[in-house]
Amino acid sequence: GAGVSQSPRYKVAKRGQDVALRCDPISGHVSLFWYQQALGQGPEFLTYFQNEAQLDKSGLPSDRFFAERPEGSVSTLKIQRTQQEDSAVYLCASSLTQGTGGRYTFGSGTRLTVV
Amino acid sequence: GQQVMQIPQYQHVQEGEDFTTYCNSSTTLSNIQWYKQRPGGHPVFLIQLVKSGEVKKQKRLTFQFGEAKKNSSLHITATQTTDVGTYFCARNTGNQFYFGTGTSLTVIP
Repeated sequence: GAGVSQSPRYKVAKRGQDVALRCDPISGHVSLFWYQQALGQGPEFLTYFQNEAQLDKSGLPSDRFFAERPEGSVSTLKIQRTQQEDSAVYLCASSLTQGTGGRYTFGSGTRLTVV
Repeated sequence: GQQVMQIPQYQHVQEGEDFTTYCNSSTTLSNIQWYKQRPGGHPVFLIQLVKSGEVKKQKRLTFQFGEAKKNSSLHITATQTTDVGTYFCARNTGNQFYFGTGTSLTVIP
C-alpha cells in the first residue's frame, strides 16, 4: 500500500480482555517497529523486526505483550489480560532499509483504552 | 540511558517569532533524525543528519548536527500556525530506535 496501515483505529477493551493490533507496513519494507505512546509522552520503543525475525523485544513492558511478523510483512501486537496502564496509542513504523538507521514511515496508530 | 534529552519541553511563541529545540546525548550518535507530530497525529519524518557539523535546510527549518555528534538542533524561522506540534529527535542504537523527550511548540496567532 501507499502507507503504513494500522487497525483498528480505536479499541476499547475491558480490563482482563485480550486484544490484537494489526500493522500493514509499506510493501517491501524490511524493518518494522512497534511503539507505545502514552498521552503527552513521546513514543516508547517496544520491539523491532527485520523481515520475520524479531531482533529486539526488550521494550515490551511485560510478558503479557507479544508481537509477531510471521511472513515478514503484516505484524500483530497482542496484549493479553489488558490492564488500565496499557491504555495508550500503539504506533507501527516501517522502513525500506535493513537495520535501524533508516527513514521511518509511521501508521496512524491504534488508540487503546482499557476500562 | 538510551534516551536523548530535548530542551525546552514546551515553547510558546508569537506567530512570526523564531523557535529552536535542542537535542543532547551523552554518547556519540551515528546519525540523528527529526520527526514532527501534530496534535492527534503520528510522527512524520523530517530529516536525517549523518555527518559531523552537518547543516541542512528545508524552507524555514534549519537542522544542525554538532561537531562532536552528540547534539543537534532544529531552528524554525518566522513560525507559522502550521508549525504547531511536537518535535522529536530520534536515534538508533543496535536494534533499537529511540525518540527524544520532545519539544511541544505552540504558536500564538
